[in-house]
Amino acid sequence: KQEVTQIPAALSVPEGENLVLNCSFTDSAIYNLQWFRQDPGKGLTSLLLIQSSQREQTSGRLNASLDKSSGRSTLYIAASQPGDSATYLCAVRGIYNTDKLIFGTGTRLQVFP
Amino acid sequence: DTEVTQTPKHLVMGMTNKKSLKCEQHMGHRAMYWYKQKAKKPPELMFVYSYEKLSINESVPSRFSPECPNSSLLNLHLHALQPEDSALYLCASRKTGGRTSTDTQYFGPGTRLTVL
Repeated sequence: KQEVTQIPAALSVPEGENLVLNCSFTDSAIYNLQWFRQDPGKGLTSLLLIQSSQREQTSGRLNASLDKSSGRSTLYIAASQPGDSATYLCAVRGIYNTDKLIFGTGTRLQVFP
Repeated sequence: DTEVTQTPKHLVMGMTNKKSLKCEQHMGHRAMYWYKQKAKKPPELMFVYSYEKLSINESVPSRFSPECPNSSLLNLHLHALQPEDSALYLCASRKTGGRTSTDTQYFGPGTRLTVL
């Protein structure tokens, strides 16, 4: 059974810092991995999608990497801003049931001025 | 347009009420999902519709009844709910049809449900 964990569970940093969020999964038989952002009480916003054959994806200040063989992904946020404060979720889609996203436990990020 | 819309935004209902949640997308996606999310927890999958047919039911109690009247609409009918069913209900959609790079799953803003 696929299990996805995220470390740290919560993070508080001053504005301007570069930071790394971690995502680990137990079964490497994945189709892709997706990073989401969720603001309190809101829906999920897709940030980046990495296919299993890819090593990384970039969008603006965000960079996500994937090491499928070791079961790890990282989300790198450059020059953090208070507007980046949110919960970040990673989710994997397994090759045996592509209709299901398995979510991690999330990292709650606070960036203070 | 990558928008999934949900109505209502908030819903308060008693345990004897019948209500419905509505989800709509116009991206031509053929897979649609219902998730339930409790505070500070990740979303939990409830139902998946693929090409308007129910493909996954994650052992959800029968007081939740999904319906997919067409490829753009997804409803969740609620009846005789319990207070523990209070949560954020999220709808999502995804393009199906093989292993393409446009496999992003898009979520709506959610309906905040409170059961009294």
